[in-house]
Amino acid sequence: NAGVTQTPKFQVLKTGQSMTLQCAQDMNHNSMYWYRQDPGMGLRLIYYSASEGTTDKGEVPNGYNVSRLNKREFSLRLESAAPSQTSVYFCASSDPGARQETQYFGPGTRLLVL
Amino acid sequence: GNSVTQMEGPVTLSEEAFLTINCTYTATGYPSLFWYVQYPGEGLQLLLKATKADDKGSNKGFEATYRKETTSFHLEKGSVQVSDSAVYFCALRPSGNTPLVFGKGTRLSVIA
Repeated sequence: NAGVTQTPKFQVLKTGQSMTLQCAQDMNHNSMYWYRQDPGMGLRLIYYSASEGTTDKGEVPNGYNVSRLNKREFSLRLESAAPSQTSVYFCASSDPGARQETQYFGPGTRLLVL
Repeated sequence: GNSVTQMEGPVTLSEEAFLTINCTYTATGYPSLFWYVQYPGEGLQLLLKATKADDKGSNKGFEATYRKETTSFHLEKGSVQVSDSAVYFCALRPSGNTPLVFGKGTRLSVIA
């Protein structure tokens, strides 16, 4: 049981390049999330998927797109990377419905945009 | 709207000192409250949680009590260890099926 996995761990991009961050969970969770973490800003929600086939914008969706490929996988795409997107990206998943619902996080992807 | 405010760090303590990290929240309805911890180079992991007023969450010597009257969920530990050095995040889940709202995090450094 690997929990939430993310690839790649590190990535360097040039401005204008595109890339896709991959996330997968093996806990049969319905909901999945993408956050970015920046110094002094905490975690900010980019997009989330409450269930397979649905996606919704979070606090900072501009410059990103997502795909909920199936129940296990939720990818984040940067179509044209900008230096402002330099950050650490975390994927998370949870099984909603209970008030004690817990989000489980992946190890993160460190992205540097030059 | 929903928001979480936690004390700014960094917080530096000597081993065996008492720890308090303050957290207050604004939310509609009756949120669930969480503390997450992030060790260096890792993702966040749940430390403790409370789902209703006056509930106390506890884990690994850490405690936090859901105080509805003061809209607070302060994290405490009686005797910190070097291994507790990490970033601590307070978070809330508003009523219903909505994502967590996080505070900005408090970095704790414990020195021997």
